[in-house]
Amino acid sequence: EPEVTQTPSHQVTQMGQEVILRCVPISNHLYFYWYRQILGQKVEFLVSFYNNEISEKSEIFDDQFSVERPDGSNFTLKIRSTKLEDSAMYFCASSGPSQETQYFGPGTRLLVL
Amino acid sequence: AQSVSQHNHHVILSEAASLELGCNYSYGGTVNLFWYVQYPGQHLQLLLKYFSGDPLVKGIKGFEAEFIKSKFSFNLRKPSVQWSDTAEYFCAVTTYYGNNRLAFGKGNQVVVIP
Repeated sequence: EPEVTQTPSHQVTQMGQEVILRCVPISNHLYFYWYRQILGQKVEFLVSFYNNEISEKSEIFDDQFSVERPDGSNFTLKIRSTKLEDSAMYFCASSGPSQETQYFGPGTRLLVL
Repeated sequence: AQSVSQHNHHVILSEAASLELGCNYSYGGTVNLFWYVQYPGQHLQLLLKYFSGDPLVKGIKGFEAEFIKSKFSFNLRKPSVQWSDTAEYFCAVTTYYGNNRLAFGKGNQVVVIP
C-alpha cells in the first residue's frame, strides 16, 4: 500500500538556523498538507498546498515558514530561522482528487536548541 | 474556527473490556468526522470516517463510531479491546467550507493491559 514518507525522522538544529523538512506524498495525490504537534499539545494545521500554490494557511504559518514542491515527487517545509518554540513533530499529509481522506507520514521530530 | 474536545486523555483498561472515547466538536455547519490512531512508533492511520448517511460507521479492527448531530458528538467504541489496541486515538473534523484543514482533538492515550 502506498505511503507518505518523510525525511529526516529526527533533526536537531541550533536556534536561528534554517531547516528543510522533506516529504514524498502518495504518487497520484494532488493535495498536500503540513501539520505539527508540540509535545503535549494538539496536532495543529500549518498549511495546505494545491496546484503549486498555498490554498490555506494557519496563523502559525508566518513569514518564517515556506513550502515548495520542487519536483514531481517532493514536498518541502522550510523554516528560515528556527526558534525554540518550533520544536515539535512535523507531519506531512496528502490526499487524492476527492480530498476525502488525508494520509499522514511518520513525522519529523525537530528539536531546536 | 472549529474546535474538537476529547476527554479522559489517559485510559487504562484490561483486555476484553469495552472502550468508548468521547469526541465533541464546536462547528455548527456540515462537518466531516474522522478518528485516527497512532500505534507506538508508527504514523497516524485512519481508523474510520463519517461524511454522510448512516450515522453509525464501522472502521477497521472492530471499531465503530456514532455521529449524533444534536450532541455535536462522534464517539468511538470497541466492544472488546485487545492488547494491540494500545495506541493514541485522535478525533478530527473538517468543515465543508474549510479547505480540508483537519482540526484535531488532544488525543486519548489508551493502554490495554493483557
